[in-house]
Amino acid sequence: DAGITQSPRHKVTETGTPVTLRCHQTENHRYMYWYRQDPGHGLRLIHYSYGVKDTDKGEVSDGYSVSRSKTEDFLLTLESATSSQTSVYFCAIRDGLAREQFFGPGTRLTVL
Amino acid sequence: QKEVEQNSGPLSVPEGAIASLNCTYSDRGSQSFFWYRQYSGKSPELIMSIYSNGDKEDGRFTAQLNKASQYVSLLIRDSQPSDSATYLCAVITSNTGKLIFGQGTTLQVKP
Repeated sequence: DAGITQSPRHKVTETGTPVTLRCHQTENHRYMYWYRQDPGHGLRLIHYSYGVKDTDKGEVSDGYSVSRSKTEDFLLTLESATSSQTSVYFCAIRDGLAREQFFGPGTRLTVL
Repeated sequence: QKEVEQNSGPLSVPEGAIASLNCTYSDRGSQSFFWYRQYSGKSPELIMSIYSNGDKEDGRFTAQLNKASQYVSLLIRDSQPSDSATYLCAVITSNTGKLIFGQGTTLQVKP
C-alpha cells in the first residue's frame, strides 16, 4: 500500500454539524486529492493540493473546504454537513514527477 | 456526452476465459490513461497505466490504447474468481489536467 491513511474510517453525523476528514501520507508526495464516490456518479474530484498552503477546487467543491499546513496532511472540512454529502471519501496522492495517483482506504460518511 | 464512458455491466465470464473491458473518452488531446481495480468496500487500486498507442502487457493484464478512435481497453487473460471487481477507467484530460473517472465496469468471473 502507498503510505496513506485516512481518519476517521467511518463517521455518522447530523445535518448542520461541522465535519473534518484527515488524510495523512508518509510518501512526501507533492500532490494530494480529495474525491467522493457515489453510485451513479463514480469518483469525482472535490479539491486538490499542489503544495503546502496551495489548493484548488475540483468538480464538486461547493460545501467543502480544505487545508494543507504540512506536506503530509490534507484536511477536508464540511462546514455544515448536509444529507447530500453522505458518501465515501477517498484521498489520493501523486508524486510531482509521475502521473499515477494512489488512493487511501476511504472514509464512509453518513449525514442524518 | 460523458468525458469517460464505460459499460456498467456486469460482465460475466467463466474462469480461465479472457475478460475484455472497454472505455471511450471524449477529449482527443488526452495523453494519460489508467485502469484501477476496486473490490467492493475497498479503495481503487492502480493496475495499469498507458500513454502510447498500442498494447502494454503486465502479467495477465494487457492495456490497449487507440488514440485515433479515443478508445482504451483492458484484457484480463486466464480470468480468476479473484478478478471479480469493478474496473475503473481514468483519463487525464488535456484541458484541465485533472483525472476523470468512468463509472466502472463490474466483472464477475464464475468458477
